[in-house]
Amino acid sequence: NAGVTQTPKFRILKIGQSMTLQCAQDMNHNYMYWYRQDPGMGLKLIYYSVGAGITDKGEVPNGYNVSRSTTEDFPLRLELAAPSQTSVYFCASSYSQASEQFFGPGTRLTVL
Amino acid sequence: GQQVMQIPQYQHVQEGEDFTTYCNSSTTLSNIQWYKQRPGGHPVFLIQLVKSGEVKKQKRLTFQFGEAKKNSSLHITATQTTDVGTYFCADNTGAQKLVFGQGTRLTINP
Repeated sequence: NAGVTQTPKFRILKIGQSMTLQCAQDMNHNYMYWYRQDPGMGLKLIYYSVGAGITDKGEVPNGYNVSRSTTEDFPLRLELAAPSQTSVYFCASSYSQASEQFFGPGTRLTVL
Repeated sequence: GQQVMQIPQYQHVQEGEDFTTYCNSSTTLSNIQWYKQRPGGHPVFLIQLVKSGEVKKQKRLTFQFGEAKKNSSLHITATQTTDVGTYFCADNTGAQKLVFGQGTRLTINP
């Protein structure tokens, strides 16, 4: 099992550009999450999904969009990149709401 | 909303010394999960505490859940350089998501 995979590992964007961060898991987990982690800080939830076709906002959803067309994939879309979105983005999945979360290796995004 | 406060923010110890990080909430915690994140890495699940007063051990790590379920702690005995990283507690709010504390960053002098 590959677990949770994320692409790309690194990306530099210009202000106003858009991009999609990819996340996939092969554990057949229903629950998937997107977090951002600013330097020296904790994890903030951006969006989450409890199953294919269902998504919901987390603590910091502004400037992002998600979709969940399959159980395996949970892409995160940035439409108009801003410097405030410079961060490390982690995708995670879990079997149930109460179980441990498995994290991907992260995407380090810089917006200049 | 639900907030989980973690202290200290940073801790530097000599190798072999003990280390403790505390997780506190003003409201009752549902259950607590602990994660470790190595420098440059991603969070990795360590343990989950569910019951009031629960104590669990993993080798040199001891995890406790307060009797009132408003606090939790992680204690490492005789730290080793492999313990370096940031330790996060997270409350499973029961609302289909985790609320993470700010983390305690542990550095160790060999």
